[in-house]
Amino acid sequence: EDKVVQSPLSLVVHEGDTVTLNCSYEVTNFRSLLWYKQEKKAPTFLFMLTSSGIEKKSGRLSSILDKKELFSILNITATQTGDSAIYLCAVLMYSGGGADGLTFGKGTHLIIQP
Amino acid sequence: DVKVTQSSRYLVKRTGEKVFLECVQDMDHENMFWYRQDPGLGLRLIYFSYDVKMKEKGDIPEGYSVSREKKERFSLILESASTNQTSMYLCASSLGRGFGSPLHFGNGTRLTVT
Repeated sequence: EDKVVQSPLSLVVHEGDTVTLNCSYEVTNFRSLLWYKQEKKAPTFLFMLTSSGIEKKSGRLSSILDKKELFSILNITATQTGDSAIYLCAVLMYSGGGADGLTFGKGTHLIIQP
Repeated sequence: DVKVTQSSRYLVKRTGEKVFLECVQDMDHENMFWYRQDPGLGLRLIYFSYDVKMKEKGDIPEGYSVSREKKERFSLILESASTNQTSMYLCASSLGRGFGSPLHFGNGTRLTVT
């Protein structure tokens, strides 16, 4: 059975701290790993990672994938209260003739205290 | 462990057909959601429900309706399927009210309308 596990499930830090969120997976026919930020009605897309060892960066957020050890991390530096959200990790898998199947982790609930 | 089950993994329907997508969750969650995922557009909310027999429009409700007759079941209905409704449909549930709790997703239904 395909599995995506995120840790920690919740995290409380102070503004300005750096946080690292973890996502490990066990899936068949891995295609890519996606990170989302859930704070409003629909989770917003952050990163898609397909290749191992290549860091993706957007402002204070960065993410990297390790396909050998089957995990990804999402880093947020100099956190702000607006970073408070649930961060979801999902794995996209191939199935048959094309990309298919999306398995989500349970999310990390991040709270940034002023 | 929360399980969100979508009745079909793949569906192929013809233009004009009425289509039912079923979703069942087993953890007594109040909230249930229907999203569609399209390349480059991320997750978009179609409809959601906070309680039995209640429903709220999401961001893209046109062409869809929903039904929640029982707490555990949330159905998405395409009254007259069109080719632009070809997509991956994801059902989710969460505890409590609103969008502050982690979303638990089903495995998705890939719908093709020909």
